[in-house]
Amino acid sequence: EADIYQTPRYLVIGTGKKITLECSQTMGHDKMYWYQQDPGMELHLIHYSYGVNSTEKGDLSSESTVSRIRTEHFPLTLESARPSHTSQYLCASSLDRPNSPLHFGNGTRLTVT
Amino acid sequence: DAKTTQPNSMESNEEEPVHLPCNHSTISGTDYIHWYRQLPSQGPEYVIHGLTSNVNNRMASLAIAEDRKSSTLILHRATLRDAAVYYCILFSGNTGKLIFGQGTTLQVKP
Repeated sequence: EADIYQTPRYLVIGTGKKITLECSQTMGHDKMYWYQQDPGMELHLIHYSYGVNSTEKGDLSSESTVSRIRTEHFPLTLESARPSHTSQYLCASSLDRPNSPLHFGNGTRLTVT
Repeated sequence: DAKTTQPNSMESNEEEPVHLPCNHSTISGTDYIHWYRQLPSQGPEYVIHGLTSNVNNRMASLAIAEDRKSSTLILHRATLRDAAVYYCILFSGNTGKLIFGQGTTLQVKP
């Protein structure tokens, strides 16, 4: 069952547009994450959050920004999309414990033309 | 962050056991070993995790070396639906980050 939801599933957009990728979870998890994954490649952590009003940058530098105003919601925004942003973006959540598994959404596949 | 090393790919026959190895020689005492798998066009799915002792669940077993520098994910009877990319990851209790490596692509032959 899907307790973490990402919308849209697919997005094709022109260069220069502002976009927001939505991620919501219903499990009450404090920690949330955004990963970026190119086809056939590994996942790269770009943002994470420990809870409301907490955001941290991940290991891969990204021009995107995130916000965490509510526990269940962790949107990712690109102010001006470029072709280099074409990728799959995966959102995940977990309890704030290192032995707590991550629950992933099915991702948003973004194409910037 | 501590890194993991996995073979790029492995093959298995259907209904046979599969042992997926992972080396993590720089693991620290607070790192948990997590395994996830990713089917095509889906997000990763949690499989199992452990700290020091071997672990079993309905999906798989995790065997952890005594020195914790390596581990093995065991699928007891591979099915075609087990064909996926399997990631071995160290979850740091210090940094709170879960960093993925390249994973092992498992092919299951009928």
